[in-house]
Amino acid sequence: QSVLTQPPSASGTPGQKVTISCSGGTSNIGSNTVHWYQQLPGTAPKLLVYSHNQRSSGVPDRFSGSKSGNSASLAISGLQSEDEADYFCATWDDSLNGPVFGGGTKLTVL
Amino acid sequence: QVQLQESGPGLVKPSGTLSLTCSVSGGSIRGYYWSWIRRPPGKGLEWIGNMYYTGTTNYNPSLKSRVTMSIDPSKNQFSLELTSVTAADTAVYYCAKKTGSYYDNYFDYWGQGILVTVSS
Repeated sequence: QSVLTQPPSASGTPGQKVTISCSGGTSNIGSNTVHWYQQLPGTAPKLLVYSHNQRSSGVPDRFSGSKSGNSASLAISGLQSEDEADYFCATWDDSLNGPVFGGGTKLTVL
Repeated sequence: QVQLQESGPGLVKPSGTLSLTCSVSGGSIRGYYWSWIRRPPGKGLEWIGNMYYTGTTNYNPSLKSRVTMSIDPSKNQFSLELTSVTAADTAVYYCAKKTGSYYDNYFDYWGQGILVTVSS
């Protein structure tokens, strides 16, 4: 069971906006920055958004991150077929003294 | 562009030791933190541990008694050993480069991953 909670799946049609949530607690999301990784099928995870809302190099502005309290979210607007992937949230956990991840959300583009 | 590549056996017997090496190219291993992360089948990512190029380590408490990380700056490589493995250690293992500050850190480069299966 992952420390951070994400919905196991999400879906949308091309052009739609999809939001993926990530819930934690005071020792992790509540007090530290949140990052998001994208894992396309059969590939390694790729840094997508870091420090809440900073896009990694080459990531289109269709991807945006935000945080409120002990939760965070990743929004993907103008959904495209190539966005179909697993998405993981991550942050530092003060109790673990290390990084923790969400269980991942599988995004399907219908 | 930094590139990482995992290598090691893809099959380990129960109670045995899992040993993996990560080779770093396109940049020096010096001055950075390096990590191991795994993803068991059907599950999410799990952080295993970090190592600074000087040899300082920080392990996940749930694995700490079985994990040893080492680093060889002269070869631009770092390694992972996980002892007393069980089927629960079957996973894709990734090496990654950590960046950022102490509390605001993330993994900006990843290896392609290597599937390690624990089975007799």
